[in-house]
Amino acid sequence: NAGVTQTPKFQVLKTGQSMTLQCAQDMNHNSMYWYRQDPGMGLRLIYYSASEGTTDKGEVPNGYNVSRLNKREFSLRLESAAPSQTSVYFCASSALPGFDNQPQHFGDGTRLSIL
Amino acid sequence: KNQVEQSPQSLIILEGKNCTLQCNYTVSPFSNLRWYKQDTGRGPVSLTIMTFSENTKSNGRYTATLDADTKQSSLHITASQLSDSASYICVVSAKGSTLGRLYFGRGTQLTVWP
Repeated sequence: NAGVTQTPKFQVLKTGQSMTLQCAQDMNHNSMYWYRQDPGMGLRLIYYSASEGTTDKGEVPNGYNVSRLNKREFSLRLESAAPSQTSVYFCASSALPGFDNQPQHFGDGTRLSIL
Repeated sequence: KNQVEQSPQSLIILEGKNCTLQCNYTVSPFSNLRWYKQDTGRGPVSLTIMTFSENTKSNGRYTATLDADTKQSSLHITASQLSDSASYICVVSAKGSTLGRLYFGRGTQLTVWP
């Protein structure tokens, strides 16, 4: 049972390049999320998708776009990478919208460095 | 301002010893509080989730307590093992908040020495 799978695991980009981080879950969850984790800071929400076909901005959406391709997949795109976007990116999913008694399941992250 | 503060920032203990991690929050109105364990290089994994009416919840050697009146939670680890070395993250959600709005603490880095 894979859970939440993120690709790639590592990536190095040059400033101004674009790339898409992929995320897929096999738990039939409705809601999916993208977070970034920086040293000394808590996880910060970039975008989320309550259900297939919907997406909404989180706490730090600037410089990112997302696509909920289908129920399983939720991608994060950096259109023009900046050094400030160097971070570890986590995708997560949960069964239903809302958080009462529902854990989020996280992938193992994509470590992104922008030079 | 909704915030989650964890202490200590880091902690070193010997294998077999017990320890307690603290979480104070100002999130209101409170919905639930969860503790996650994050191993180095991995994503967070849920340990416990507690709602307002629950004041203790266990998961094996992990026991979380919640005092909603003082807005404090603790995570107690019993008979620590080397595999307990990880970052422990406290997360609080607010009732009625828009989907996706969780308040994350910065974590306590626990190191267990043999």
